[in-house]
Amino acid sequence: AQKITQTQPGMFVQEKEAVTLDCTYDTSDQSYGLFWYKQPSSGEMIFLIYQGSYDEQNATEGRYSLNFQKARKSANLVISASQLGDSAMYFCAMMGYGGSQGNLIFGKGTKLSVKP
Amino acid sequence: EADIYQTPRYLVIGTGKKITLECSQTMGHDKMYWYQQDPGMELHLIHYSYGVNSTEKGDLSSESTVSRIRTEHFPLTLESARPSHTSQYLCASSAGQANSPLHFGNGTRLTVT
Repeated sequence: AQKITQTQPGMFVQEKEAVTLDCTYDTSDQSYGLFWYKQPSSGEMIFLIYQGSYDEQNATEGRYSLNFQKARKSANLVISASQLGDSAMYFCAMMGYGGSQGNLIFGKGTKLSVKP
Repeated sequence: EADIYQTPRYLVIGTGKKITLECSQTMGHDKMYWYQQDPGMELHLIHYSYGVNSTEKGDLSSESTVSRIRTEHFPLTLESARPSHTSQYLCASSAGQANSPLHFGNGTRLTVT
């Protein structure tokens, strides 16, 4: 069975500082993908970044980077230079490409609050 | 650049009513999904479809049903709404490649009184 664990229900960060949101996962698939989504209070889900299990380099997208440690089964999201607009729920998600159904499963999320 | 649309955005309805939540996408994606999310909580997959005339139940048991008669359209129906159905329902689609993210609609916030 696949599982995503986000152990930080809430996080605070000072504006302009960097913050790391934790995500660990469990899967029996050899090939899988890891995704991070942002959900503002308005409710829509915004795709941020993707990391494939066979990607050798950590993914980066602008201020977002993914600290992928395959042996530890962790895929932490790093947001650099936090902005007030970064305040939102952040969800880590995984899709297995092997014996599992290949559907996206989500963690419980981390609520990030950026302080001015 | 929303190419996936959900209506209505908000719905308040009485117990026992039949409702259909609409979801349409213009990207030609074969894969479509319905997720249920309580406020501040994780998303749970309730239905998915890999193409026309293909529908499957997700990980979370749901009393809702879905249909996929056209590629672009994936409506969700509740035959008899109950207060326990109060939640946000998010529709998504995907191009289906390994690194393809799910594109989500804005969601429907359903309240059953």
